[in-house]
Amino acid sequence: DVKVTQSSRYLVKRTGEKVFLECVQDMDHENMFWYRQDPGLGLRLIYFSYDVKMKEKGDIPEGYSVSREKKERFSLILESASTNQTSMYLCASRPGLAGVETQYFGPGTRLLVL
Amino acid sequence: AQSVTQLDSQVPVFEEAPVELRCNYSSSVSVYLFWYVQYPNQGLQLLLKYLSGSTLVKGINGFEAEFNKSQTSFHLRKPSVHISDTAEYFCAVKSFQKLVFGTGTRLLVSP
Repeated sequence: DVKVTQSSRYLVKRTGEKVFLECVQDMDHENMFWYRQDPGLGLRLIYFSYDVKMKEKGDIPEGYSVSREKKERFSLILESASTNQTSMYLCASRPGLAGVETQYFGPGTRLLVL
Repeated sequence: AQSVTQLDSQVPVFEEAPVELRCNYSSSVSVYLFWYVQYPNQGLQLLLKYLSGSTLVKGINGFEAEFNKSQTSFHLRKPSVHISDTAEYFCAVKSFQKLVFGTGTRLLVSP
């Protein structure tokens, strides 16, 4: 059974803290994604990676960075958390390069920044 | 770049009634469309996808969608819903190497 896991389901941080969100997939997928989900806005792509050490900006990369040192792990970093980064964060992975393969999602991390 | 529009933010329906969730996409030469579902407190999972071929696509849990090129639509349907279908449904379109998601439609099924 395919699996994408995220390090935390719920996280509470203070403004200005550095925050790490970890995502691990066990399917040997080339592509990994970080989205944020907000009511009324749907899913918005923050960053994605199509290979180890490769990264591409998505639609809303400001205030975020990512790291992919190993194929199975994709980390999202909030360098200095702000209240407007309170959101649900979803990680996904996908095989192949055609772009039409199924994306597999983790359960999400609900982040509250105080 | 491609985009999708989900006009209904919420659709209430009674159990065993039919339902249609609407999705319209921006016109393009070729288009690849998806429906994903998010059950409460879970990530998204694929319901169905249209890549080519038959315009009627069947998915999991009794859902189906029809690709309509002239109306640039890809509406999701189910002839008889269950309480367990209560979830948020997202339409998505392939844009370059990414998926662009709609804003979601919350389906609320009541007994």
